Amino acid sequence: DAKTTQPPSMDCAEGRAANLPCNHSTISGNEYVYWYRQIHSQGPQYIIHGLKNNETNEMASLIITEDRKSSTLILPHATLRDTAVYYCIVSFRYNQGGKLIFGQGTELSVKP
Amino acid sequence: DTGVSQNPRHKITKRGQNVTFRCDPISEHNRLYWYRQTLGQGPEFLTYFQNEAQLEKSRLLSDRFSAERPKGSFSTLEIQRTEQGDSAMYLCASSPTDYNEKLFFGSGTQLSVL
Repeated sequence: DAKTTQPPSMDCAEGRAANLPCNHSTISGNEYVYWYRQIHSQGPQYIIHGLKNNETNEMASLIITEDRKSSTLILPHATLRDTAVYYCIVSFRYNQGGKLIFGQGTELSVKP
Repeated sequence: DTGVSQNPRHKITKRGQNVTFRCDPISEHNRLYWYRQTLGQGPEFLTYFQNEAQLEKSRLLSDRFSAERPKGSFSTLEIQRTEQGDSAMYLCASSPTDYNEKLFFGSGTQLSVL
Protein backbone atom coordinates (compact mmCIF):
# COMPACT_ATOMS: atom_id res chain seq x y z
CA ASP A 1 0.00 0.00 0.00
CA ALA A 2 1.03 3.58 -0.67
CA LYS A 3 2.52 5.33 2.32
CA THR A 4 1.25 8.75 1.30
CA THR A 5 -2.01 10.69 1.38
CA GLN A 6 -2.84 13.28 -1.27
CA PRO A 7 -5.98 15.24 -2.13
CA PRO A 8 -7.69 13.64 -5.13
CA SER A 9 -7.93 16.85 -7.13
CA MET A 10 -6.90 20.50 -7.21
CA ASP A 11 -7.38 23.48 -9.50
CA CYS A 12 -4.89 26.22 -10.24
CA ALA A 13 -5.04 29.35 -12.38
CA GLU A 14 -2.55 29.58 -15.20
CA GLY A 15 0.48 31.62 -14.21
CA ARG A 16 -0.09 31.14 -10.51
CA ALA A 17 1.86 28.85 -8.21
CA ALA A 18 0.48 25.35 -7.74
CA ASN A 19 1.07 23.92 -4.27
CA LEU A 20 0.43 20.20 -4.02
CA PRO A 21 0.44 18.76 -0.49
CA CYS A 22 1.38 15.25 0.59
CA ASN A 23 1.19 13.56 3.98
CA HIS A 24 3.63 10.78 4.81
CA SER A 25 3.46 10.47 8.58
CA THR A 26 5.03 6.99 8.69
CA ILE A 27 8.13 7.89 6.68
CA SER A 28 11.32 6.31 8.05
CA GLY A 29 14.65 8.05 8.46
CA ASN A 30 16.22 6.75 5.27
CA GLU A 31 13.22 7.10 3.01
CA TYR A 32 13.06 9.80 0.36
CA VAL A 33 10.07 11.70 -0.95
CA TYR A 34 9.68 11.41 -4.72
CA TRP A 35 7.31 13.22 -7.02
CA TYR A 36 6.31 11.92 -10.43
CA ARG A 37 3.59 13.22 -12.71
CA GLN A 38 1.56 11.62 -15.46
CA ILE A 39 0.14 13.65 -18.27
CA HIS A 40 -2.86 12.11 -19.99
CA SER A 41 -1.97 9.21 -22.33
CA GLN A 42 1.69 9.25 -21.26
CA GLY A 43 3.77 7.33 -18.75
CA PRO A 44 4.84 8.86 -15.44
CA GLN A 45 7.66 11.39 -15.50
CA TYR A 46 10.12 12.10 -12.68
CA ILE A 47 9.93 15.61 -11.23
CA ILE A 48 12.00 15.89 -8.06
CA HIS A 49 13.01 14.09 -4.89
CA GLY A 50 14.38 14.95 -1.46
CA LEU A 51 15.36 13.54 1.92
CA LYS A 52 15.00 16.39 4.41
CA ASN A 53 16.31 19.57 2.82
CA ASN A 54 14.24 21.64 0.46
CA GLU A 55 15.06 20.98 -3.16
CA THR A 56 14.63 22.95 -6.37
CA ASN A 57 15.20 22.09 -10.00
CA GLU A 58 14.09 23.44 -13.33
CA MET A 59 10.66 21.87 -12.98
CA ALA A 60 9.64 22.43 -9.38
CA SER A 61 10.49 22.98 -5.73
CA LEU A 62 10.01 20.49 -2.93
CA ILE A 63 9.42 21.68 0.62
CA ILE A 64 9.70 19.03 3.33
CA THR A 65 8.60 19.84 6.89
CA GLU A 66 11.14 19.57 9.66
CA ASP A 67 9.51 16.45 11.11
CA ARG A 68 9.37 15.02 7.56
CA LYS A 69 5.76 13.97 7.99
CA SER A 70 4.53 16.08 5.10
CA SER A 71 5.78 17.86 2.01
CA THR A 72 4.62 20.25 -0.67
CA LEU A 73 5.45 20.25 -4.35
CA ILE A 74 5.47 23.75 -5.80
CA LEU A 75 5.11 24.54 -9.49
CA PRO A 76 6.01 28.25 -9.41
CA HIS A 77 4.21 29.40 -12.55
CA ALA A 78 1.74 26.75 -13.63
CA THR A 79 0.93 26.43 -17.32
CA LEU A 80 -1.80 24.49 -19.11
CA ARG A 81 0.84 21.84 -19.91
CA ASP A 82 1.18 21.15 -16.17
CA THR A 83 -2.31 19.62 -16.10
CA ALA A 84 -1.59 16.06 -14.95
CA VAL A 85 -1.87 13.56 -12.11
CA TYR A 86 0.89 14.17 -9.55
CA TYR A 87 2.13 11.26 -7.46
CA CYS A 88 3.92 11.65 -4.14
CA ILE A 89 5.90 8.50 -3.31
CA VAL A 90 7.96 7.54 -0.28
CA SER A 91 10.76 5.08 -0.90
CA PHE A 92 14.35 4.23 -0.13
CA ARG A 93 16.59 5.83 -2.73
CA TYR A 94 18.36 2.63 -3.65
CA ASN A 95 15.41 0.40 -4.31
CA GLN A 96 16.34 -3.01 -5.57
CA GLY A 97 13.80 -3.73 -8.21
CA GLY A 98 12.84 -0.08 -8.42
CA LYS A 99 9.27 -0.89 -7.58
CA LEU A 100 7.94 2.49 -6.72
CA ILE A 101 4.53 2.18 -5.08
CA PHE A 102 2.18 4.71 -6.62
CA GLY A 103 -0.96 5.85 -4.85
CA GLN A 104 -3.87 7.51 -6.59
CA GLY A 105 -2.19 10.90 -6.79
CA THR A 106 -3.61 14.41 -7.13
CA GLU A 107 -5.23 15.40 -10.40
CA LEU A 108 -4.14 18.99 -11.03
CA SER A 109 -6.19 21.04 -13.48
CA VAL A 110 -4.57 24.27 -14.62
CA LYS A 111 -7.22 26.62 -15.94
CA PRO A 112 -6.81 29.69 -18.18
CA ASP B 1 18.00 9.17 -26.77
CA THR B 2 14.68 8.14 -28.24
CA GLY B 3 13.03 7.22 -24.96
CA VAL B 4 11.24 4.02 -24.00
CA SER B 5 9.18 2.70 -26.87
CA GLN B 6 6.14 0.46 -26.47
CA ASN B 7 4.18 -1.32 -29.15
CA PRO B 8 1.41 -1.50 -29.94
CA ARG B 9 -0.12 1.64 -28.40
CA HIS B 10 -3.56 0.08 -28.41
CA LYS B 11 -4.72 -3.52 -28.54
CA ILE B 12 -8.29 -4.77 -28.68
CA THR B 13 -8.82 -8.49 -28.26
CA LYS B 14 -11.54 -10.96 -27.48
CA ARG B 15 -11.68 -12.79 -24.19
CA GLY B 16 -9.66 -15.98 -24.31
CA GLN B 17 -7.15 -14.77 -26.91
CA ASN B 18 -3.44 -14.38 -26.26
CA VAL B 19 -1.73 -11.01 -26.60
CA THR B 20 1.90 -9.91 -26.58
CA PHE B 21 3.32 -6.46 -25.96
CA ARG B 22 6.81 -5.23 -26.71
CA CYS B 23 9.00 -2.73 -24.87
CA ASP B 24 12.24 -1.26 -26.20
CA PRO B 25 14.12 0.41 -23.34
CA ILE B 26 16.53 3.29 -23.59
CA SER B 27 19.83 2.04 -24.95
CA GLU B 28 22.20 0.75 -22.27
CA HIS B 29 19.58 0.79 -19.54
CA ASN B 30 20.07 -2.61 -17.95
CA ARG B 31 17.00 -2.43 -15.69
CA LEU B 32 13.50 -2.86 -17.10
CA TYR B 33 10.15 -2.82 -15.33
CA TRP B 34 6.56 -3.60 -16.22
CA TYR B 35 3.66 -1.86 -14.50
CA ARG B 36 -0.10 -2.10 -14.97
CA GLN B 37 -2.50 0.81 -14.55
CA THR B 38 -6.28 0.71 -14.41
CA LEU B 39 -8.53 3.73 -14.78
CA GLY B 40 -8.25 6.15 -11.88
CA GLN B 41 -5.46 4.24 -10.16
CA GLY B 42 -1.72 4.72 -10.00
CA PRO B 43 0.58 2.26 -11.77
CA GLU B 44 1.10 -1.10 -10.04
CA PHE B 45 4.41 -2.96 -10.23
CA LEU B 46 4.34 -6.28 -12.12
CA THR B 47 7.90 -7.43 -12.71
CA TYR B 48 11.53 -6.36 -12.99
CA PHE B 49 14.53 -7.43 -15.08
CA GLN B 50 18.18 -6.72 -14.60
CA ASN B 51 19.71 -7.47 -17.97
CA GLU B 52 18.11 -10.74 -19.05
CA ALA B 53 17.36 -11.98 -15.53
CA GLN B 54 13.84 -11.62 -14.19
CA LEU B 55 14.54 -10.79 -10.56
CA GLU B 56 11.16 -10.04 -9.11
CA LYS B 57 7.51 -10.71 -9.85
CA SER B 58 4.47 -9.23 -8.15
CA ARG B 59 1.63 -11.37 -6.88
CA LEU B 60 -0.41 -9.53 -9.52
CA LEU B 61 1.44 -11.50 -12.18
CA SER B 62 -0.72 -14.60 -12.46
CA ASP B 63 0.30 -17.78 -14.29
CA ARG B 64 -1.31 -16.42 -17.43
CA PHE B 65 1.28 -13.65 -17.59
CA SER B 66 4.84 -14.19 -18.75
CA ALA B 67 7.58 -11.70 -19.40
CA GLU B 68 10.90 -12.16 -21.14
CA ARG B 69 13.92 -10.07 -21.92
CA PRO B 70 16.15 -12.08 -24.22
CA LYS B 71 19.73 -10.84 -24.43
CA GLY B 72 18.93 -8.05 -22.04
CA SER B 73 17.55 -5.75 -24.70
CA PHE B 74 13.85 -5.47 -25.56
CA SER B 75 11.22 -7.15 -23.43
CA THR B 76 7.90 -8.81 -24.16
CA LEU B 77 4.89 -9.29 -21.91
CA GLU B 78 2.47 -12.02 -22.92
CA ILE B 79 -0.98 -12.58 -21.51
CA GLN B 80 -2.56 -15.93 -22.26
CA ARG B 81 -6.31 -16.57 -22.25
CA THR B 82 -7.13 -12.93 -21.66
CA GLU B 83 -9.94 -11.97 -19.31
CA GLN B 84 -11.95 -8.76 -19.14
CA GLY B 85 -10.16 -7.92 -15.89
CA ASP B 86 -6.89 -7.73 -17.82
CA SER B 87 -8.09 -4.56 -19.52
CA ALA B 88 -5.61 -1.90 -18.46
CA MET B 89 -2.68 0.24 -19.52
CA TYR B 90 0.56 -1.74 -19.47
CA LEU B 91 3.55 0.51 -18.84
CA CYS B 92 7.21 -0.27 -19.33
CA ALA B 93 10.05 1.65 -17.69
CA SER B 94 13.81 1.40 -17.92
CA SER B 95 16.64 2.66 -15.75
CA PRO B 96 20.43 2.75 -15.80
CA THR B 97 20.60 2.37 -12.01
CA ASP B 98 18.53 1.30 -9.00
CA TYR B 99 17.96 4.92 -8.00
CA ASN B 100 14.27 5.72 -8.06
CA GLU B 101 14.72 9.09 -9.74
CA LYS B 102 16.08 7.40 -12.81
CA LEU B 103 13.00 5.55 -14.02
CA PHE B 104 11.95 6.47 -17.54
CA PHE B 105 8.50 5.32 -18.60
CA GLY B 106 7.10 4.62 -22.01
CA SER B 107 3.63 5.75 -23.07
CA GLY B 108 2.16 2.33 -22.50
CA THR B 109 -0.01 -0.19 -24.33
CA GLN B 110 -3.73 0.16 -23.72
CA LEU B 111 -5.37 -3.27 -23.70
CA SER B 112 -9.10 -3.70 -24.09
CA VAL B 113 -10.52 -7.20 -23.67
CA LEU B 114 -14.03 -7.58 -25.06
